[in-house]
Order: sequence, then structure tokens, then C-alpha cells
Amino acid sequence: GENVEQHPSTLSVQEGDSAVIKCTYSDSASNYFPWYKQELGKGPQLIIDIRSNVGEKKDQRIAVTLNKTAKHFSLHITETQPEDSAVYFCAASISVKTSYDKVIFGPGTSLSVIP
Amino acid sequence: GAVVSQHPSWVICKSGTSVKIECRSLDFQATTMFWYRQFPKQSLMLMATSNEGSKATYEQGVEKDKFLINHASLTLSTLTVTSAHPEDSSFYICSAEGRNQETQYFGPGTRLLVL
Repeated sequence: GENVEQHPSTLSVQEGDSAVIKCTYSDSASNYFPWYKQELGKGPQLIIDIRSNVGEKKDQRIAVTLNKTAKHFSLHITETQPEDSAVYFCAASISVKTSYDKVIFGPGTSLSVIP
Repeated sequence: GAVVSQHPSWVICKSGTSVKIECRSLDFQATTMFWYRQFPKQSLMLMATSNEGSKATYEQGVEKDKFLINHASLTLSTLTVTSAHPEDSSFYICSAEGRNQETQYFGPGTRLLVL
């Protein structure tokens, strides 16, 4: 089955700097990669996603890149702000529109943005 | 965007009692709902997947007689923790996926404490 690894497990950056979180997946059939942000005591919130037919996607300060050959995908947050502090989870799934998708989550990265 | 609610947000119960948690999709029809469990500083662990009108599919190691799941309508799924024990204390999170969607939208979670 699919296995998702995520690094680093913790990350501290100064406000205004960039943060990068990297993930790898094992199943080459995975074709959908969402990223979730989870604040303390709350459920995960989808922040960006990318499909396997796209190499990069950007939404304001957040960008995600995907290298299908290497089975790597990364989250980039620029101009970090204190409110970006949270736990970030990458995930991978095999998206089949006629069926539900089992999403496999990475172990998470705790991001702290220091004012 | 898609909104998923959970009720209650937190619950404290005595050992041996049963607890029901509701998960509702507020603005879309959820053909599939997922139940996760999350321990402190850990990732989300999928417990079971339920499709509307059919029996839930449980992940390996999850007792179906202990964690009863009902997905009676396209907007409501319930998780009942039967004969709860202190080791069942955890953060339970549901997610929902609509027909032909790739993305799971998460509820805010329910924190269960069994005394």
C-alpha cells in the first residue's frame, strides 16, 4: 500500500522567511496530493492540492511542486506570518472519480513562525 | 467552500458508557464519509470509510463492534463508541467527500475523554 513520508517533523522560521516541507510517496499510481493545515484543537483544513498532470501550483504565498519521477512533492510558504504556525500534513491518494479515495497522510510537520 | 460540522466538539464520559458523535456535510451531499482518530502530536489514522446506505469498511485493527458507524443519509454519518474505556480517549475527526470529488473536507473534530 501507499506510504507517505514527511520532513522535517518540526520547523522554526523567522517571520518573513520561507518555509519548505518535503514529502515522498511510494505508490506510483497515486495521482492526487492535498496539503492540510491543522491548528491546535481543530480539524485539518485543505490549503492547496495538486494533481499528477501538473508540476507546480501556486496560490498567493503558498505553492506546491510535484516530481512524479522521483515521487516527491513539496509545500513552499513564502513571507511567513505568525498565523502560519500550525501542523501541516501532506497526503497522497489514488483518485478514481467513480469511487471514493483513500487518502494516506504523512506524519506531519509542526511549523513555528517566530515574530 | 464545502463545510463539515461535528457534534459534540468535546465530551467527557464515564468508563463503560457509549458516546455518539455526529458528522454532517452542510452544503453538499457526501457520498462517502471517513472517520479518523488522532492521538496527541500524531498523524490522522483512518478508522473506517462509510458510503451512504451501505455498511462501513473498517481498517485493519479497528473493532467494528466497538466503533459503530452509520451513514443513513447523504449529509449525516454517526460514530458510536460503545462501552468506552480510558484508552478510547482521543480526538475523533470525520471527513466527507462528494460524488465525483477528489477532496475530503474535514470536520472540526470531537475530543473524547473517558474517565
